[in-house]
Amino acid sequence: KAGVTQTPRYLIKTRGQQVTLSCSPISGHRSVSWYQQTPGQGLQFLFEYFSETQRNKGNFPGRFSGRQFSNSRSEMNVSTLELGDSALYLCASRERGEGYGYTFGSGTRLTVV
Amino acid sequence: SQQGEEDPQALSIQEGENATMNCSYKTSINNLQWYRQNSGRGLVHLILIRSNEREKHSGRLRVTLDTSKKSSSLLITASRAADTASYFCATPPYSGAGSYQLTFGKGTKLSVIP
Repeated sequence: KAGVTQTPRYLIKTRGQQVTLSCSPISGHRSVSWYQQTPGQGLQFLFEYFSETQRNKGNFPGRFSGRQFSNSRSEMNVSTLELGDSALYLCASRERGEGYGYTFGSGTRLTVV
Repeated sequence: SQQGEEDPQALSIQEGENATMNCSYKTSINNLQWYRQNSGRGLVHLILIRSNEREKHSGRLRVTLDTSKKSSSLLITASRAADTASYFCATPPYSGAGSYQLTFGKGTKLSVIP
């Protein structure tokens, strides 16, 4: 099976712009989650989607949004970018059920200048 | 606040030695998971241990879980330079219903010196 694919791998944006990141989960995985990783805050949960429904959202401002499509692919959007949004954004998918961990993509490295 | 806290924050050992990392958590869990992250890359799921299990093995990895102490340990035996990475423990919410978000600790940075 192909792994979790995230595009793009690297991105440089200017403050005030918006950005859309894409994630294609492993085929058959309907659960997709997003995490933000920074040196200061570590790994923080952003969103979780299952069958196109947002199940949970982390403690992030409304500038952060996401969605999941019928083919389980997911996107996240950050509007009005701030310098502090510079981070590694990780997408992960998993099979349904208690005994499964997440498979992560390689991440998108976002730099806001 | 973090659910899981790894200890030590950094660990440096010689190739061939064993590496032990610890994780403490605060609330009840259904399972606890360990992940590895090579510099700047995505996380790799290593092992999942359920709350009713005390020990689990996978290759050179051995994980223990003590729910009475709310702690877990990850042992990597006969370490290799390729084991150099950050290691995180993570737990999903206890209720298990609906959301499966993971709460991660800050991680242990392991350096294996050839």
